[in-house]
Amino acid sequence: EVQLVESGGGLAQSGGSLRLSCAASGFIFNTHWMHWVRQAPGKGLMWVSRINGDGSNAAYADSVEGRFTISRDNAKGTLYLQLNSLRVEDTAVYFCSRGGYFSFGPLDLWGPGILVTVSS
Amino acid sequence: IVLTQSPGTLSLSPGERASLSCRASETVSNNYLAWYQQKPGQAPRLLIYGASTRATGIPDRFSGTGSGTDFTLTISRLEPEDFAVYYCQEYDISPPYTFGQGTKLEIK
Repeated sequence: EVQLVESGGGLAQSGGSLRLSCAASGFIFNTHWMHWVRQAPGKGLMWVSRINGDGSNAAYADSVEGRFTISRDNAKGTLYLQLNSLRVEDTAVYFCSRGGYFSFGPLDLWGPGILVTVSS
Repeated sequence: IVLTQSPGTLSLSPGERASLSCRASETVSNNYLAWYQQKPGQAPRLLIYGASTRATGIPDRFSGTGSGTDFTLTISRLEPEDFAVYYCQEYDISPPYTFGQGTKLEIK
């Protein structure tokens, strides 16, 4: 089955760290750009980060640049997001999603999401 | 690019036609504009990409039109399962891949 499943969320204190994982299955993982998108409680979607297929190029939203790091292990079929220097406003459900085939493209596969709560 | 969706909330009845707007602050290159549907407690689902191409498995009552800065998602005859929040997104090669703020389609 083609799917993405996130893990690693939970409660963290302001200034703390968390590492999110996203396990991919059912497709050739290293052929797709991958993204993280988040949604604060009751709010809309916000794109967070993306990484290309071989992990050599990453991009971030301004609000997380320098604090979050995206990476991937193609041998394990897993995407990661390291969240450092967490702020209360980082509280959200974090979704991993599949982007384009060897390039940019729409997000055509999403995980169910994982909740990150940052307390002050 | 800033994407502005309107209306914020749309109240319609099953069987009616829905038109949702997404306006970009500058031209979306190559019409790299997607529409997503999100139901409460669920992940978004890709409906339309390239402004007008339906994603796999999406019913033909969903259609996307537009180019440049003005885009529309139309649902020809609303089914009960179509009541949800809809987002547009531009996905050009250069980030950030901005989402609109969403339109909530609710049952009248």
